[in-house]
Amino acid sequence: NAGVMQNPRHLVRRRGQEARLRCSPMKGHSHVYWYRQLPEEGLKFMVYLQKENIIDESGMPKERFSAEFPKEGPSILRIQQVVRGDSAAYFCASSQKRTVGGYEQYFGPGTRLTVT
Amino acid sequence: AQTVTQSQPEMSVQEAETVTLSCTYDTSESDYYLFWYKQPPSRQMILVIRQEAYKQQNATENRFSVNFQKAAKSFSLKISDSQLGDAAMYFCAYRSSGGGADGLTFGKGTHLIIQP
Repeated sequence: NAGVMQNPRHLVRRRGQEARLRCSPMKGHSHVYWYRQLPEEGLKFMVYLQKENIIDESGMPKERFSAEFPKEGPSILRIQQVVRGDSAAYFCASSQKRTVGGYEQYFGPGTRLTVT
Repeated sequence: AQTVTQSQPEMSVQEAETVTLSCTYDTSESDYYLFWYKQPPSRQMILVIRQEAYKQQNATENRFSVNFQKAAKSFSLKISDSQLGDAAMYFCAYRSSGGGADGLTFGKGTHLIIQP
């Protein structure tokens, strides 16, 4: 059973470009979470999605960031007009069911975004 | 909002010795989960151990055990017989249960160094 897949593993963008980060959850998982890790920091929750629904986006910056999890295909975290402060590692996690019921989140290997 | 504090940015221990990593948290909830995650240089987040707040018994996983003090809001990790492969960043994390937020709240981490 493949784990959580993220691609690309490394992404370099110039200021003002768009970044698209992809996350394929574990087989049988329909819940996806995105986290951001700035240098020397812990992970910060950004958004929680189920298929075709955003459930909790309380950690998402108000501008330039969006996320989706379509019925088919991976979850996408999109950052428009990137700035240097967006440079970070972005982690995706997935779970079988809603984690408040005790289901674990399994993490992917992360995408390291560098904005030049 | 919940907060997680790890007061030790870095810890060093001799191989085969025992080390304890500290974590405190702040919450008004009575029901929640606590976790320790390991992040080696590969950056993959690996779940080390988990504790349900309603359980008085401290969780153990082989060489890893926790000291959970609910009243003091303290959740320390003890690593016995330290091995070179234990060298990593260790993050303490909190998650609500019973209808609270689904995202994990992480501390800033402790960098564990194992001296051969």
